[in-house]
Amino acid sequence: QKEVEQNSGPLSVPEGAIASLNCTYSDRGSQSFFWYRQYSGKSPELIMFIYSNGDKEDGRFTAQLNKASQYVSLLIRDSQPSDSATYLCAVNRDDKIIFGKGTRLHILP
Amino acid sequence: DTGVSQNPRHKITKRGQNVTFRCDPISEHNRLYWYRQTLGQGPEFLTYFQNEAQLEKSRLLSDRFSAERPKGSFSTLEIQRTEQGDSAMYLCASSTRLSNEKLFFGSGTQLSVL
Repeated sequence: QKEVEQNSGPLSVPEGAIASLNCTYSDRGSQSFFWYRQYSGKSPELIMFIYSNGDKEDGRFTAQLNKASQYVSLLIRDSQPSDSATYLCAVNRDDKIIFGKGTRLHILP
Repeated sequence: DTGVSQNPRHKITKRGQNVTFRCDPISEHNRLYWYRQTLGQGPEFLTYFQNEAQLEKSRLLSDRFSAERPKGSFSTLEIQRTEQGDSAMYLCASSTRLSNEKLFFGSGTQLSVL
């Protein structure tokens, strides 16, 4: 079992709709959780982080964490074509940051 | 704050040659990470430093790979006797414990082994 699992996609979402990205992790000792966005040919950039169970909102982005289910999700509201990218879920386990393989998101104009 | 800098941006080498990459982290960041990424995959953890101390190295990492951070500032990653399977993007990232390990990435070094 991989430490961080994501559906590789592609996930196609119409412009203006809500995009929902999911991630599961295997180590219950994981302490903090991150979502990075990576455009083609570019490096990952941090867009959200969450440490506690529940929801965290920042603009059009909402991160959700359920430690009991070992599940992290990212919601993108009012999806824009510029949101088309690969979204990487990452977890902090003992200060080592482990990434999933990413989900490719395609926003349909 | 000029961000994380990596050199070179691209490296083409022949199989069997040694290569070395450099990473300059954000100046106040005491943690530095190296990752490898191939097409369609997420960044794969290689190793990380806190100041000059190398705290962990991936068990999957061959002995041909070595990294240093001699004065706790810049870091180098060396690959000896390169193989075609080493072709990948090598990413460096830095962070601070105070920022709860939010990583800031450099632009990466794209290695092609012929």
